[in-house]
Amino acid sequence: GESVGLHLPTLSVQEGDNSIINCAYSNSASDYFIWYKQESGKGPQFIIDIRSNMDKRQGQRVTVLLNKTVKHLSLQIAATQPGDSAVYFCAENIFRETSYDKVIFGPGTSLSVIP
Amino acid sequence: DAGITQSPRHKVTETGTPVTLRCHQTENHRYMYWYRQDPGHGLRLIHYSYGVKDTDKGEVSDGYSVSRSKTEDFLLTLESATSSQTSVYFCAISESYGTSGAGELFFGEGSRLTVL
Repeated sequence: GESVGLHLPTLSVQEGDNSIINCAYSNSASDYFIWYKQESGKGPQFIIDIRSNMDKRQGQRVTVLLNKTVKHLSLQIAATQPGDSAVYFCAENIFRETSYDKVIFGPGTSLSVIP
Repeated sequence: DAGITQSPRHKVTETGTPVTLRCHQTENHRYMYWYRQDPGHGLRLIHYSYGVKDTDKGEVSDGYSVSRSKTEDFLLTLESATSSQTSVYFCAISESYGTSGAGELFFGEGSRLTVL
């Protein structure tokens, strides 16, 4: 079936440590993945994306890894800061030839940074 | 920040009453979406629009209707609100859609609806 899920609903890390947030997807037709960050009381905000023809993509302090063999996606945040505390969502884009693409969001992982 | 305004931001209403949420954008993006967010479910697509007067259903469209008479406005209507529609509603916009482009969604600040 089509589903996107996160392995851990909550994650606590010490300030300065690296964070890893995981995501599993089940649809092999997914061709594009996005990570969003949602701070309390706000809408989700784009962090980084990756296409299915890539294994890794780096941004500023963030790296997304894609393992298509096991249908796994991860978001790595380097030197985690208090401002990184938020809920993180992965989203998968499923290409559909006869209709608009379908985007499925995971339930989210809450990241708490301990000062 | 993308120019997206949702109104109202908070609303409490009673079961059976009609409710309309408004999304206004100043980015002139073609695609607009309405999502609802509930604990444990993430974001689920209600309806989306790919142009003026062009709309389609998402995965949880029952009990909702939408209209888009202008590029900048996308309205979500609950004809007869039920308690199960208590949720936080997010409007989103995008310049392109999925694999045809970047696919990045820009979200509004959300509208919290409580149906008693």
